[in-house]
Amino acid sequence: ETGVTQSPTHLIKTRGQQVTLRCSSQSGHNTVSWYQQALGQGPQFIFQYYREEENGRGNFPPRFSGLQFPNYSSELNVNALELDDSALYLCASSLFAEGIQYFGAGTRLSVL
Amino acid sequence: DAKTTQPTSMDCAEGRAANLPCNHSTISGNEYVYWYRQIHSQGPQYIIHGLKNNETNEMASLIITEDRKSSTLILPHATLRDTAVYYCIVRVANDMRFGAGTRLTVKP
Repeated sequence: ETGVTQSPTHLIKTRGQQVTLRCSSQSGHNTVSWYQQALGQGPQFIFQYYREEENGRGNFPPRFSGLQFPNYSSELNVNALELDDSALYLCASSLFAEGIQYFGAGTRLSVL
Repeated sequence: DAKTTQPTSMDCAEGRAANLPCNHSTISGNEYVYWYRQIHSQGPQYIIHGLKNNETNEMASLIITEDRKSSTLILPHATLRDTAVYYCIVRVANDMRFGAGTRLTVKP
């Protein structure tokens, strides 16, 4: 147990829809990172949030966006869903500038 | 792109040491090596990390070569519950750049 919780656990959407995934960070952590993990591959970094602002982004289009709230929880929003967005979405919390990230169990998104 | 190279898969007998290698020949002087593992359908779990000295904790040992171009994760007494995908990561800025990892299967 890492203390990082993600909701929902599973989600099914259709192409073109929008989705919001949620993450509660571990107590005392102020940084949240999001990753996408396609089947059979390693997680790919989407972006990181610190002090409610984006603090680094991977190679993902602008339709992937996020928010961080004053309590350090975070949301990942994906607009105009595509079939290739089907994946496990992982959230990880950490203390800023410290390397150890603690992951939640993820949200499994299926786009039909 | 991941800055590490790992074997795709490895087997280990239960109770024996599992030695998982990783090459990171382009690592910079201030970049740490991290190891995570992922058991099926769960989020990655932190194991250990190091800069240039060997490290040990309750889960594993990390041996980093003197030139820092490679490292080995050692699970001293592997159990069936250690079956997982193991990721060796060189931390770049704020993100963990995962590769495909090594699928370790511990066999009875």
